[in-house]
Amino acid sequence: DIVMTQSPGTLSVSPGDRATLSCRASQSILNNLAWYQQKPGQAPRLLIYGASSRATGIPARFSGSGSGTEFTLTISSVQSEDFAVYHCQQYNRWPPLTFGGGTRVEIK
Amino acid sequence: QVQLQESGPGPVRPSETLSLTCTVSGDSISTSRYYWGWIRQPPGKDFEWIGSVHYSGTTYYNPSLRSRVNIFVETSRSQFSLKLRSVTAADTAVYYCAREVGSGSYFNHWGQGTLVIVSA
Repeated sequence: DIVMTQSPGTLSVSPGDRATLSCRASQSILNNLAWYQQKPGQAPRLLIYGASSRATGIPARFSGSGSGTEFTLTISSVQSEDFAVYHCQQYNRWPPLTFGGGTRVEIK
Repeated sequence: QVQLQESGPGPVRPSETLSLTCTVSGDSISTSRYYWGWIRQPPGKDFEWIGSVHYSGTTYYNPSLRSRVNIFVETSRSQFSLKLRSVTAADTAVYYCAREVGSGSYFNHWGQGTLVIVSA
C-alpha cells in the first residue's frame, strides 16, 4: 500500500498569513493526489484534484503543487473559515485508495 | 447539487453485521461516470477507504476488509449500501459515503458521516 505522510501535524497561523501544508507519498504517485478540508460535523470537501486543479467553487487562495512523492497545499491568505483539518489522498496505485493523517490548521 | 446522506440502525454488537445505507439526491446514481464509495474514520485516526460500487454493480474493495465487506447499489431507490460482517470494537468509526469521479479516483461529494459504535 502507498503510505501518505502529512506534515506538520498542527499548523498555527494568524488570519491573513500564508499556510503551507505538505504531503509525502511512499512511492511516486505522479500527480494523482487530492486534498480535502474537514470541519467538525460537516461533510469533507474536495479542494484540489490532480495535485493542482481546484475543485468547483474553491477560492483561488487555495493552490496545490507537486508531483511524484512531494506535494504542497498552500493557502495564500488564511481566512477565519479556513481553520480546519486538511487531508491528502492518493489515487495512483489502488486498491487501496489511501489518505494521509491530516494537518490541523489552527488560530495562532 | 448532489447530496448524500448516510443512515443506519445505530450501535452494533461485536460479531454482528454493520449495515448502512447512503441515499443520493440531486443527481442520478446511474450516471456512468461515477462510482459511489464508503470511507470511514475511527476516532482520532486517518480516513480508511472501504470500497466503491458502480451503478452497474461493479465493485472494488480495500483488500484489508474484502473478506468482510459487501457493497451494493439499488438504483430504483437511488441508494447504495454497506454491509460489514463480524465487527469488533476496531470497526467503531464515523462512516462516510461519497461520490467518486471514476474508478480508483478522488471523491468530489461526501455525506456528513454517521458514527457507528461497536459495543456489547
